[in-house]
Amino acid sequence: KAGVTQTPRYLIKTRGQQVTLSCSPISGHRSVSWYQQTPGQGLQFLFEYFSETQRNKGNFPGRFSGRQFSNSRSEMNVSTLELGDSALYLCASSLTTTASGANVLTFGAGSRLTVL
Amino acid sequence: GQQLNQSPQSMFIQEGEDVSMNCTSSSIFNTWLWYKQDPGEGPVLLIALYKAGELTSNGRLTAQFGITRKDSFLNISASIPSDVGIYFCAGQRGGGADGLTFGKGTHLIIQP
Repeated sequence: KAGVTQTPRYLIKTRGQQVTLSCSPISGHRSVSWYQQTPGQGLQFLFEYFSETQRNKGNFPGRFSGRQFSNSRSEMNVSTLELGDSALYLCASSLTTTASGANVLTFGAGSRLTVL
Repeated sequence: GQQLNQSPQSMFIQEGEDVSMNCTSSSIFNTWLWYKQDPGEGPVLLIALYKAGELTSNGRLTAQFGITRKDSFLNISASIPSDVGIYFCAGQRGGGADGLTFGKGTHLIIQP
């Protein structure tokens, strides 16, 4: 079956702009999590969505937001971009929420954002 | 946020050698996971550990969940060129309220 699909794979923005990234989970997976990966901070948890509701949230400013649709597809948005937002944004899906103990996250290839 | 202490940061080994890496934390985790990331790809799950003391194998890979629940290690036996990549440990506390906490990775480089 198809894996986790993220679009776009690469994008370049300038400071102050906003960006929307998309994630299509594995068919049947209802939980989508987002992570930011940078060389300095590594992989950091952004948020998790399940059944169109945000279930968990990491320690990121309010400029980072997301949503999930009824078909489990998810989008994340970053407003007022800063240079430090340059990163690989990874989406991961799982059957249920991580809180249930089903921690087998399947990651997509990521969206690499460069902010100039 | 909290980070796991993963070591070593990088390893240069000869093909055929065994590899060992570990992760430690000051906090208890209920689940330990090991992922591998290749260039241009997302992390891929190698082994999941759910119980303190658990020892689990996946082919040439073996991982253990420390009995204190604050550490885990991953061993790779008889390394081959396709083992090259970055290996991440990840832990999750009960309830999963803060997602997975990742180590900073071990970069494995194999010299033929």
